[in-house]
Amino acid sequence: DAKTTQPPSMDCAEGRAANLPCNHSTISGNEYVYWYRQIHSQGPQYIIHGLKNNETNEMASLIITEDRKSSTLILPHATLRDTAVYYCIVRVADTDKLIFGTGTRLQVFP
Amino acid sequence: GAVVSQHPSWVICKSGTSVKIECRSLDFQATTMFWYRQFPKQSLMLMATSNEGSKATYEQGVEKDKFLINHASLTLSTLTVTSAHPEDSSFYICSARVLSLLDRAGNTIYFGEGSWLTVV
Repeated sequence: DAKTTQPPSMDCAEGRAANLPCNHSTISGNEYVYWYRQIHSQGPQYIIHGLKNNETNEMASLIITEDRKSSTLILPHATLRDTAVYYCIVRVADTDKLIFGTGTRLQVFP
Repeated sequence: GAVVSQHPSWVICKSGTSVKIECRSLDFQATTMFWYRQFPKQSLMLMATSNEGSKATYEQGVEKDKFLINHASLTLSTLTVTSAHPEDSSFYICSARVLSLLDRAGNTIYFGEGSWLTVV
């Protein structure tokens, strides 16, 4: 079973920051948090991952709480093309298994 | 980023026939690949772990004799749906991790574009 819970849907205005929350209260100390997104009828696209420090790349920022029980994915300037289902995943320790939850459907509107 | 490619992108087959889907890592080697299935409006479900040179490991509830997995090289894994039926119609997706000397925990896992299977 997935170890994460996410809100089923969110809206965001184009140009504004999109903040997508994720709870992973049962995460173990050596388990990474991964974020992917899936646009309709395509394979998941890697966004970012982290262990305990905040991470930033060209796509997004990942903020992980100090107790590691939750995290937030931030898309700093959302565009219409960011409309997708966003999955927060805790990678199974010592494996490369990614168990998907239900994700958050982000709708960016003009 | 690294590229994982699937072929075919979509396929239609008759009920009772078998169909093979390929998953290739184009610019890296992958000792392990994963196969997922996704039904419309649902999340991805992990089916099995494909291990290069050895037998695949199947998730609970997935029939290994129906979904044959072969991982004959470091860049290719295949999923064969045998005796396909309409209920096997789905979006099949593979993933792979870049083989690296780095700590496995920090590596990125990439997904293919997916393969649509329709059984008629």
